[in-house]
Amino acid sequence: GENVEQHPSTLSVQEGDSAVIKCTYSDSASNYFPWYKQELGKGPQLIIDIRSNVGEKKDQRIAVTLNKTAKHFSLHITETQPEDSAVYFCASSSGNMLTFGGGTRLMVKP
Amino acid sequence: GAGVSQSPRYKVAKRGQDVALRCDPISGHVSLFWYQQALGQGPEFLTYFQNEAQLDKSGLPSDRFFAERPEGSVSTLKIQRTQQEDSAVYLCASSLMWDTEAFFGQGTRLTVV
Repeated sequence: GENVEQHPSTLSVQEGDSAVIKCTYSDSASNYFPWYKQELGKGPQLIIDIRSNVGEKKDQRIAVTLNKTAKHFSLHITETQPEDSAVYFCASSSGNMLTFGGGTRLMVKP
Repeated sequence: GAGVSQSPRYKVAKRGQDVALRCDPISGHVSLFWYQQALGQGPEFLTYFQNEAQLDKSGLPSDRFFAERPEGSVSTLKIQRTQQEDSAVYLCASSLMWDTEAFFGQGTRLTVV
């Protein structure tokens, strides 16, 4: 089955700096790659997603890049703010179910 | 415009007790998923419904786990004879179709003592 690896597991940045989280996947049939933000005591919330027919997608301070050949995708957050502090999960799907990475705890220091 | 609703939010069960966790998906959403999230880890797939049909239950860890969605809307995840290793957050998600954005509920935190 699909395996998704996510790095780093923790990331601490200064407010205003950029943060980058990277994921690799194993199943070449995967074609949908969402990113979720999870705050304490809440369910995961979709922040951005990308499908395999595009290489990059941007939404304000958040961007995702996808390299299908290398089977990796990345989340970029620019101008980080304290409210960006949370756990971020990447995921992949080739059909119905999502396979999640292990998560990255992002801490943005004011 | 309610999102995915799960109840109860918290459940403490004694080992060996049966529990039932409820999920109310977004109205009109065809697909419904259950995931299990252990502390400090990413969610792991349990089972998937398309309307009332359970199309994939490959992630259910044992035959003590059972899920149903009899009318294609509300779903219940039942765990029989709970064990300590069942302690986790159980997340429900729904999507309009099988390959569209999945919206998650807040989860039910199950603690087996």
